[in-house]
Amino acid sequence: ETGVTQTPRHLVMGMTNKKSLKCEQHLGHNAMYWYKQSAKKPLELMFVYSLEERVENNSVPSRFSPECPNSSHLFLHLHTLQPEDSALYLCASRKEEGGTYEQYFGPGTRLTVT
Amino acid sequence: GDSVTQMEGPVTLSEEAFLTINCTYTATGYPSLFWYVQYPGEGLQLLLKATKADDKGSNKGFEATYRKETTSFHLEKGSVQVSDSAVYFCALYSSNTGKLIFGQGTTLQVKP
Repeated sequence: ETGVTQTPRHLVMGMTNKKSLKCEQHLGHNAMYWYKQSAKKPLELMFVYSLEERVENNSVPSRFSPECPNSSHLFLHLHTLQPEDSALYLCASRKEEGGTYEQYFGPGTRLTVT
Repeated sequence: GDSVTQMEGPVTLSEEAFLTINCTYTATGYPSLFWYVQYPGEGLQLLLKATKADDKGSNKGFEATYRKETTSFHLEKGSVQVSDSAVYFCALYSSNTGKLIFGQGTTLQVKP
């Protein structure tokens, strides 16, 4: 596979469940990002990992827990979510050297919390 | 702080019409500028970019020119197709924060 992949593409979970979202990039990048995209709201940056170290946590509730075991993989662990957490969760990656700043996005996981 | 403002949507056009989606920005220095496109049910795809003043980014018939004097990066296409129906996001790289700053997105609907 090429590019940035995300699994699952769709997820329905109850408020008491625990689930994880997975992101994998095949681009040789060294920075990875989680974004939340809700209807009628701007794209929200949640977490940033650079060289597998978390460098950004934008006041995200603790019910969202990221993990970056290596530069190709990124997870978002979910527990005791709320209905307002229903959204499209997008993963992105970037190569930090070379002066280019564009990020490459995965297709997203559509999360519904019931 | 740095910001991006896009024209309100939705924009509805007939096939083969000319498209303009306005984008203006506020930033210090000379940020890199981007247009991303999001097709229904998918993630964001990089459409084009420009890294310095007067640069023109182009891809798939879309163009945008980096205008420093007007702090703008308007997206244009001469003849849209139904398959161009999507949400378009203007973005800049903020050297202040090290982040991509996105506009709110503009929905384009092209009718046959």
